[in-house]
Amino acid sequence: DPKIIQKPKYLVAVTGSEKILICEQYLGHNAMYWYRQSAKKPLEFMFSYSYQKLMDNQTASSRFQPQSSKKNHLDLQITALKPDDSATYFCASSQEVDSYEQYFGPGTRLTVL
Amino acid sequence: GDSVTQTEGQVALSEEDFLTIHCNYSASGYPTLFWYVQYPGEGPQLLFRASRDKEKGSSRGFEATYDKGTTSFHLRKASVQESDSAVYYCALSDRWDSGGSNYKLTFGKGTLLTVTP
Repeated sequence: DPKIIQKPKYLVAVTGSEKILICEQYLGHNAMYWYRQSAKKPLEFMFSYSYQKLMDNQTASSRFQPQSSKKNHLDLQITALKPDDSATYFCASSQEVDSYEQYFGPGTRLTVL
Repeated sequence: GDSVTQTEGQVALSEEDFLTIHCNYSASGYPTLFWYVQYPGEGPQLLFRASRDKEKGSSRGFEATYDKGTTSFHLRKASVQESDSAVYYCALSDRWDSGGSNYKLTFGKGTLLTVTP
């Protein structure tokens, strides 16, 4: 059974719209993260959460907002979508925020037209 | 900020060939180094890590040795198989990175390994 679930697997959106990417982990981890992988850049760290609290934000734009409704959930809301937001977004988790091993989900591939 | 530079693009080998993917890093502190592997349609999976100078990480026949002197962590495998075809990422975690997150992974651009039978 998959331990980190990301929904949807593929997402197509129009410029200016808003989407929410879902992430749930069933590893019993206390830290969760978002990374982005685009055609132009390597995997980039976006956010880290520990016990549902934001630890780090390396995203320049406020259009990206993580939402943690439950301990094992970390969704990513993206508003005013732009074509440059097209990328695969990976959710990851680790036992604690200072644990070295981070486990990645399968990703959500977002295309903005 | 921290950075990772690895063999760019694609490495094409035949089964039983020797593999080397180069990885060099730049970090302000004493980072932990990682190799991740990514198969099509999946997220990156941790292959192994090393945290100290001269420490060797290994898994599934792959290995790399932390070399602080040359700031390198080259991935090697003596005999590759077709099933090893994937994208390999070198990454680091620098707890002393004063310029940003202390718990993020910084990845290289990835190297696509293609092994033909």
